[in-house]
Amino acid sequence: GAVVSQHPSWVICKSGTSVKIECRSLDFQATTMFWYRQFPKQSLMLMATSNEGSKATYEQGVEKDKFLINHASLTLSTLTVTSAHPEDSSFYICSGSDRGTTKGQYFGPGTRLTVT
Amino acid sequence: DQQVKQNSPSLSVQEGRISILNCDYTNSMFDYFLWYKKYPAEGPTFLISISSIKDKNEDGRFTVFLNKSAKHLSLHIVPSQPGDSAVYFCAASVYGDYKLSFGAGTTVTVRA
Repeated sequence: GAVVSQHPSWVICKSGTSVKIECRSLDFQATTMFWYRQFPKQSLMLMATSNEGSKATYEQGVEKDKFLINHASLTLSTLTVTSAHPEDSSFYICSGSDRGTTKGQYFGPGTRLTVT
Repeated sequence: DQQVKQNSPSLSVQEGRISILNCDYTNSMFDYFLWYKKYPAEGPTFLISISSIKDKNEDGRFTVFLNKSAKHLSLHIVPSQPGDSAVYFCAASVYGDYKLSFGAGTTVTVRA
């Protein structure tokens, strides 16, 4: 149980375009979802926290107009990277929490974004 | 400011021996700690956790020790197996907050 999926797993896009990443909780209701970014050999950096039906809370230094997060339902959150630049290339991971677990968060498999 | 630190980026251990991973934290408000395991190009998977009311938690081959006064925790894997080769992240939170602060990770390589 407690499976989180992400789609796509890998995406290549051209500089200036936008790309959307989907995060789905398959067998639980994720009242809260988190989006992380991971650079090679570095820690997971929290970008934003979203609760279903409300606006996301962004961490300091994360541009909310560039990284659009929508948490439309208890099982789906999306991250849209707008006007992507090569420096946005990274590994993006989402996670969900159902508030009833002692395991913290359930993580998706991640999405590798490459901006050319 | 990194509130959770894993100062050893890598660890190599022989199969069958003990792996000890260390983690330090600076935020005294943290009262819940977790270890995650991560393979390349995959998301982290939960391994074991401990709350601040305990100083030890054990689950099979995995044991986590917490020293609150030193703001230090460690993960012991005994015996180490080749499948344990992965990156291990230490994470901390204020219980009920659901936000996690992660360390930078320790890459464990188990040699046959």
